[in-house]
Amino acid sequence: ETGVTQSPTHLIKTRGQQVTLRCSSQSGHNTVSWYQQALGQGPQFIFQYYREEENGRGNFPPRFSGLQFPNYSSELNVNALELDDSALYLCASSFTVATEAFFGQGTRLTVV
Amino acid sequence: QQQVKQSPQSLIVQKGGISIINCAYENTAFDYFPWYQQFPGKGPALLIAIRPDVSEKKEGRFTISFNKSAKQFSLHIMDSQPGDSATYFCAASRDSGGSNYKLTFGKGTLLTVNP
Repeated sequence: ETGVTQSPTHLIKTRGQQVTLRCSSQSGHNTVSWYQQALGQGPQFIFQYYREEENGRGNFPPRFSGLQFPNYSSELNVNALELDDSALYLCASSFTVATEAFFGQGTRLTVV
Repeated sequence: QQQVKQSPQSLIVQKGGISIINCAYENTAFDYFPWYQQFPGKGPALLIAIRPDVSEKKEGRFTISFNKSAKQFSLHIMDSQPGDSATYFCAASRDSGGSNYKLTFGKGTLLTVNP
């Protein structure tokens, strides 16, 4: 176990709705990254937060947004859900920006 | 644009055999190459990683071979066991500079080790 916890583990939403996913980083880690893993694919980088500031973003539209809190936990928000947003959303924490990333178990989001 | 290409897509090996998974990358700025193991319903777990200053790294039954000139790296699993059955992902990132650190993953290899 990595010490990175995500909630909820599973979620079903309707197209057009909004969703918030949560991640509690491993103790001592100040960096959190979010990845989207579609079925049968490798994870794709969404964005990274370092000390509460966004520190890089992948090719995802602005309806994907995030936050990092003073305790370094993080949220991923997705607005106007589309069917293609159905995926496993992974949170990874690291001691700092350029060190090993440890993944949580993920949140399985299904958009119907 | 897929910057990390992984093969094969699936692999079946007998217990005790050697599993070999290959990856090729395009971005010469990449300088950190980890391998992750993922079981169904779980997040990826870091298995072993290499940086381009060495050509090989071994940890137990797992070995990474790295060829900088060919921009290729591979994972070898010696004495493969049924418990190794999982999906394996190679990844790459630009580690130096400390900014915008992100992992670019291959598409994964589903390894099945038959008893």
